[in-house]
Amino acid sequence: GDSVTQTEGPVTVSESESLIINCTYSATSIAYPNLFWYVRYPGEGLQLLLKVITAGQKGSSRGFEATYNKETTSFHLQKASVQESDSAVYYCALGPQGTGSKLSFGKGAKLTVSP
Amino acid sequence: GPKVLQIPSHQIIDMGQMVTLNCDPVSNHLYFYWYKQILGQQMEFLVNFYNGKVMEKSKLFKDQFSVERPDGSYFTLKIQPTALEDSAVYFCASSPGQGGTEVFFGKGTRLTVV
Repeated sequence: GDSVTQTEGPVTVSESESLIINCTYSATSIAYPNLFWYVRYPGEGLQLLLKVITAGQKGSSRGFEATYNKETTSFHLQKASVQESDSAVYYCALGPQGTGSKLSFGKGAKLTVSP
Repeated sequence: GPKVLQIPSHQIIDMGQMVTLNCDPVSNHLYFYWYKQILGQQMEFLVNFYNGKVMEKSKLFKDQFSVERPDGSYFTLKIQPTALEDSAVYFCASSPGQGGTEVFFGKGTRLTVV
């Protein structure tokens, strides 16, 4: 089946340092998967951070970036300089194209940014 | 932004009893989902629902599970009877349908079966 493997938390980084959270995927039933990063801030529900639907493309949001690499089946999340407000749990996910489709999630990485 | 509401946040039920988890999806959304997350594991898809019908369900969606959204009100997940292994956090989600694919999630209901 389809699966996602990602860096598992906790991840602790000092403010203004760089961050990378690794994500690799296996899409056995989906020819052209869409890739996502979701984030859960403390006390909040899961929300979409960024998504990329085309291999080779890069998505970005709130200073975070991730590139859809079909050759290495990776979708690593990076940020050049983290802030304390980035402390949250980050989930990599994949799903087929189209509306109403199911998502396959990684286990999540809890990021703590220390001041 | 748009919110999916799940009430209550925690529910405790005796094994063998029935439980109904309620979800108030984003208004005007057309697709509805339930996901299950056991402690320490990833969130896993249970079922999606559109136009009054189940579209797809996973092997985790046992015969004891059912979903409905009567008259456009709450989207519910019913488990009857409950088992100890049903203890988990259940997340409801919804998405707009045509013209929008982003899925919006609720904060989850923690179900404890004792």
